Amino acid sequence: EVQLVESGGGLVQPGGSLRLSCAASGFTFSSYSMTWVRQAPGRGLEWVSYISSSSSAIYYADSVKGRFTISRDNAKNSLYLQMNSLRDEDTAVYYCAREGVSPWFDPWGQGTLVTVSS
Amino acid sequence: QSALTQPASVSGSPGQSITISCTGTSSDVGRYNFVSWYQQHPGKAPKLMIYDVSHRPSGVSNRFSGSKSGNTASLTISGLQAEDEADYYCSSYTSSSTRVFGTGTKVTVL
Repeated sequence: EVQLVESGGGLVQPGGSLRLSCAASGFTFSSYSMTWVRQAPGRGLEWVSYISSSSSAIYYADSVKGRFTISRDNAKNSLYLQMNSLRDEDTAVYYCAREGVSPWFDPWGQGTLVTVSS
Repeated sequence: QSALTQPASVSGSPGQSITISCTGTSSDVGRYNFVSWYQQHPGKAPKLMIYDVSHRPSGVSNRFSGSKSGNTASLTISGLQAEDEADYYCSSYTSSSTRVFGTGTKVTVL
């Protein structure tokens, strides 16, 4: 069964840092691009970042560029999101998702909640 | 990176058909056939319903269909059922190689 499991969320003060992880299983992780998507409480989905299978291509939403860093470890079947200089507006459930041959997302993890508050 | 525009809500009675629009620009929806649609029930992760404008993944009901004309993509749900009540989001690839989601549509089954 293809599965993605996020971890690392929690409560952090504004200006702080957090590192999210996404553990993949049930498929050849090194063959797929991956994406992070977030959803603020009661709000819609927001695409955050993309990384290609070999990490050769990386893209970010303008809202996180310069503060967030996406990375992966294909040997560990894991995806990461390093979040620095966190702001109140970064509060959201963060999902990791596998990208298909073209830019669609399936499956998604269950999400991990990040709360930025003093 | 402005979000794609969707109606905030759409409703219909059981058995009816409804259509959700997703309007972008010539830099995203209008340029690429990389529009996908997602269903999200409260407290759950999104689920892929349509990819590449009109393709249905295995296991998704054929009551769901997608299309595109110009800068606007559409998701049609035919034979509306109670279980279809959820939030729906479109997504598109962009000319900057980023991805963008729609504003989301709440579907209510009357």
